[in-house]
Amino acid sequence: AQKVTQAQTEISVVEKEDVTLDCVYETRDTTYYLFWYKQPPSGELVFLIRRNSFDEQNEISGRYSWNFQKSTSSFNFTITASQVVDSAVYFCALSEGFSGGYNKLIFGAGTRLAVHP
Amino acid sequence: GAGVSQSPSNKVTEKGKDVELRCDPISGHTALYWYRQRLGQGLEFLIYFQGNSAPDKSGLPSDRFSAERTGESVSTLTIQRTQQEDSAVYLCASRDRASTDTQYFGPGTRLTVL
Repeated sequence: AQKVTQAQTEISVVEKEDVTLDCVYETRDTTYYLFWYKQPPSGELVFLIRRNSFDEQNEISGRYSWNFQKSTSSFNFTITASQVVDSAVYFCALSEGFSGGYNKLIFGAGTRLAVHP
Repeated sequence: GAGVSQSPSNKVTEKGKDVELRCDPISGHTALYWYRQRLGQGLEFLIYFQGNSAPDKSGLPSDRFSAERTGESVSTLTIQRTQQEDSAVYLCASRDRASTDTQYFGPGTRLTVL
């Protein structure tokens, strides 16, 4: 069965600290996609990144970076030099690429990040 | 361009009443999804539309929940005889199946059943 686990319920850091949000997934498919979404206090889900299962290259976008390791079924997200505006709930999600072609997302429970000045 | 929109943004209703929640997807997006987010929790999949048909309704929690989509555009999620446990934020997402697998979400409708 598909499952996404975000073991960290809440993380609290001081501004400028680096922080890593963990995501571990389970799937029987060989083709799948992994996502990270940000949900700020306003509530709207903001897409951050999509990764397909064939591309294990890590990605960096500004202060954000993602580490995808198929061997450990993990897709971790690091924010470098965190800022107060990074405070939000972050969700990791899994979609199986060709299982019925529906691509419904299976979400983790989310990690609430609080960045303090 | 315009994103996914949902209405109303907030809905308060009494137990036992019916409610309708609306989703306007991004223009041209053929795939549409409904999710539910209970307070402090992750999102649960409810139903998926491809065009106007719903090949996956597996997440609908009971027969009080139904959804339809018309004109390959607007979708309505209807909850009949609402119960307090239906209180949640209902989120809609759309995806352009032809070019990307990314779902883009609307702002959600916060439903409170008293």
